[in-house]
Amino acid sequence: GAGVSQSPSNKVTEKGKDVELRCDPISGHTALYWYRQSLGQGLEFLIYFQGNSAPDKSGLPSDRFSAERTGGSVSTLTIQRTQQEDSAVYLCASSLARVANEKLFFGSGTQLSVL
Amino acid sequence: SQKIEQNSEALNIQEGKTATLTCNYTNYSPAYLQWYRQDPGRGPVFLLLIRENEKEKRKERLKVTFDTTLKQSLFHITASQPADSATYLCALWRYSSASKIIFGSGTRLSIRP
Repeated sequence: GAGVSQSPSNKVTEKGKDVELRCDPISGHTALYWYRQSLGQGLEFLIYFQGNSAPDKSGLPSDRFSAERTGGSVSTLTIQRTQQEDSAVYLCASSLARVANEKLFFGSGTQLSVL
Repeated sequence: SQKIEQNSEALNIQEGKTATLTCNYTNYSPAYLQWYRQDPGRGPVFLLLIRENEKEKRKERLKVTFDTTLKQSLFHITASQPADSATYLCALWRYSSASKIIFGSGTRLSIRP
């Protein structure tokens, strides 16, 4: 497809379980972001990948959160031992980043519900 | 710490009027400011980008201003339509070797017929 693809679109899990969220960026986009959006709130920055550089993990809320980007393309956000406060929409975005201010293209997000 | 503030209260505007949304920032010197639109259940969609050396940018019925002295951007929608109803987010980026784009909390705009 031409856009950013995220899967699953919805995920319901039990407290304490691990979850993996996937993001397929637009082909050729070197920058990839993960954001979290709680109900009625803005976007909270989580992590930023830019090409082969070390990722900026400064937004990850705890060590239960991790993310990787394989081959400079697909990214996976993993949340271990989920808690109810992890419930939110997790949004992925990518950009060409030929210059760092390039506009972001977002996926539709994964709605995570922790029971 | 860096802070971006948008009006947290919803803005209700009569169709045909001009809607004006505000984005204020502190402890930050952005080089670029972007505005996005977000509809329920969807990811944000890019609308406009304005650079620090630009005072104003227009696109069709949209106008953005950027005042680096006031640390403020205004986003205007002229001749507003019910289809303009959505949440609007501002986002900032500054010069840095690996600077990330950070977002404000967004303002929900409702245009009533």
